[in-house]
Amino acid sequence: DAGITQSPRHKVTETGTPVTLRCHQTENHRYMYWYRQDPGHGLRLIHYSYGVKDTDKGEVSDGYSVSRSKTEDFLLTLESATSSQTSVYFCAISPLGRLGEAEAFFGQGTRLTVV
Amino acid sequence: GENVEQHPSTLSVQEGDSAVIKCTYSDSASNYFPWYKQELGKRPQLIIDIRSNVGEKKDQRIAVTLNKTAKHFSLHITETQPEDSAVYFCAASIDYQLIWGAGTKLIIKP
Repeated sequence: DAGITQSPRHKVTETGTPVTLRCHQTENHRYMYWYRQDPGHGLRLIHYSYGVKDTDKGEVSDGYSVSRSKTEDFLLTLESATSSQTSVYFCAISPLGRLGEAEAFFGQGTRLTVV
Repeated sequence: GENVEQHPSTLSVQEGDSAVIKCTYSDSASNYFPWYKQELGKRPQLIIDIRSNVGEKKDQRIAVTLNKTAKHFSLHITETQPEDSAVYFCAASIDYQLIWGAGTKLIIKP
């Protein structure tokens, strides 16, 4: 599993509440990513990080924020959850380089339902 | 914006036959093209990748071909088996990120 775990694995939350998803890696890799996966859209990048306190936006970042205060943890926060954020969220690492040049290893995914 | 188109969205083949999935990309600067397999309820996993300086790459029953001029690349699976049933995603690199296709659900009929 490349030492990457996500928590929680499943969550149901109400519209308007804040939600934080956690991605934890055990190997101190530099590059970490958050994706969402929806039917018909494949994987879409939300935010990514190239190191502690070094984060940037992906293609679908609106409504999401991230933090990386330690190398091993990359947190994704939905400030005020909406039904359009119901999705499966995957965290990924790329130990051998940035995603555009090297293999990605994904966490198990978090299924989030906003009701 | 940049995009990757993947076809077909669903592919049903008889066990033992070959399967081909095709992707086209828009950015001529793309130079890395991975393919990921995702079994039901599981995480995506890399099965093969190709870089722009190579036209074809094989790994046992799986092969990928790249046509830079036409900006398309394809995944070929020969002698399909039940365990090949999954969703397959192609992707193309743009500025050290990946743009993903929408996925192809491959069904292997017994």
